[in-house]
Amino acid sequence: DAGVIQSPRHEVTEMGQEVTLRCKPISGHDYLFWYRQTMMRGLELLIYFNNNVPIDDSGMPEDRFSAKMPNASFSTLKIQPSEPRDSAVYFCASSYNEKLFFGSGTQLSVL
Amino acid sequence: GENVEQHPSTLSVQEGDSAVIKCTYSDSASNYFPWYKQELGKRPQLIIDIRSNVGEKKDQRIAVTLNKTAKHFSLHITETQPEDSAVYFCAGLRNKLVFGAGTILRVKS
Repeated sequence: DAGVIQSPRHEVTEMGQEVTLRCKPISGHDYLFWYRQTMMRGLELLIYFNNNVPIDDSGMPEDRFSAKMPNASFSTLKIQPSEPRDSAVYFCASSYNEKLFFGSGTQLSVL
Repeated sequence: GENVEQHPSTLSVQEGDSAVIKCTYSDSASNYFPWYKQELGKRPQLIIDIRSNVGEKKDQRIAVTLNKTAKHFSLHITETQPEDSAVYFCAGLRNKLVFGAGTILRVKS
């Protein structure tokens, strides 16, 4: 298995633009998580899905953030409009039987 | 909700020495405690985990111990090597995985 696949690896955008991050979980995993990592706040859980259904989105910072999982093999995290304080590494992770596997992350820079 | 505290924030050891990182958790219902290693610019990777019905687990040079009464668990790395240098995260799971703030481990050769 190729593991959790995220795209793009790097994204540089200007404030106010829409940003879409993509994730393909490991086949057979029933949970999918979106985390954000910064030096100041560490690894923060934004939202997670179980069998494609959002379970807990209490970590989503604002209404500017939204996430979808239309099927078992694809999820998106969208930020609209983006702001400089959204700059961070965004990780997608999937799990089966509680073991979490991370993707390579998307380094987002909002100028 | 769950809160996980991790200490120390940085740790420097000489190559060949042991390293110990400690975490405490707040939710007594948490039942799964993994440890992740993150090298610079890379993804966190699972290195060892323990469930609440087990007190200790070992895998070669790394081990994890769990004290449910005191609500703390520790990562032990023996015979440290330069390639062990990384950031280590502990986590606790009840309904969702909550991570500690991380420990920067430096192994000096």
